[in-house]
Amino acid sequence: GQNIDQPTEMTATEGAIVQINCTYQTSGFNGLFWYQQHAGEAPTFLSYNVLDGLEEKGRFSSFLSRSKGYSYLLLKELQMKDSASYLCAVRDGDYKLSFGAGTTVTVRA
Amino acid sequence: IAGITQAPTSQILAAGRRMTLRCTQDMRHNAMYWYRQDLGLGLRLIHYSNTAGTTGKGEVPDGYSVSRANTDDFPLTLASAVPSQTSVYFCASSDSTERGELGELFFGEGSRLTVL
Repeated sequence: GQNIDQPTEMTATEGAIVQINCTYQTSGFNGLFWYQQHAGEAPTFLSYNVLDGLEEKGRFSSFLSRSKGYSYLLLKELQMKDSASYLCAVRDGDYKLSFGAGTTVTVRA
Repeated sequence: IAGITQAPTSQILAAGRRMTLRCTQDMRHNAMYWYRQDLGLGLRLIHYSNTAGTTGKGEVPDGYSVSRANTDDFPLTLASAVPSQTSVYFCASSDSTERGELGELFFGEGSRLTVL
């Protein structure tokens, strides 16, 4: 199967910056996704990277290095509502999407 | 626009019983998926369908079956439920882009299943 690793938990202060790392080993690669999931809710799409580099979308940015099998999600100007689980997901050569276990981010006042 | 509708939202089931989780999407997406989400394990793919009439096995298919008779519906059946199938089940769909790459997944609200 696929191997996708990300930290289990992270804590940060309101207004700060947090970086969530994700490393992966998959059979083929057709893109990397980040999803946000609030407790008791469905995951929602945040970002997509298929080429190396940084994709910026408002307060959220995502970076990809295909040669290193590495991505990170950067959350800037943290708000209380950003407390959630962040899921790294990789689409393999067969176009199946596999998820990491998720990183729970807690934002403190 | 409803997006993806799952039913039931929650169910308690006796072991050995048959159960079908329903999933309907109104976005005309080609691909549909069933995932289960368990604490510490994340989302794991059970079965998928890239287009109506075709299905495939994911990471954890044993004990589950699916069908895709049309574009909109993708039911998941547990033929004889066991306690290890207690989980939150998410149905999802995605579109195909012009380049043939599948787009992002849109998820239903989930079905919480407890097998006793």
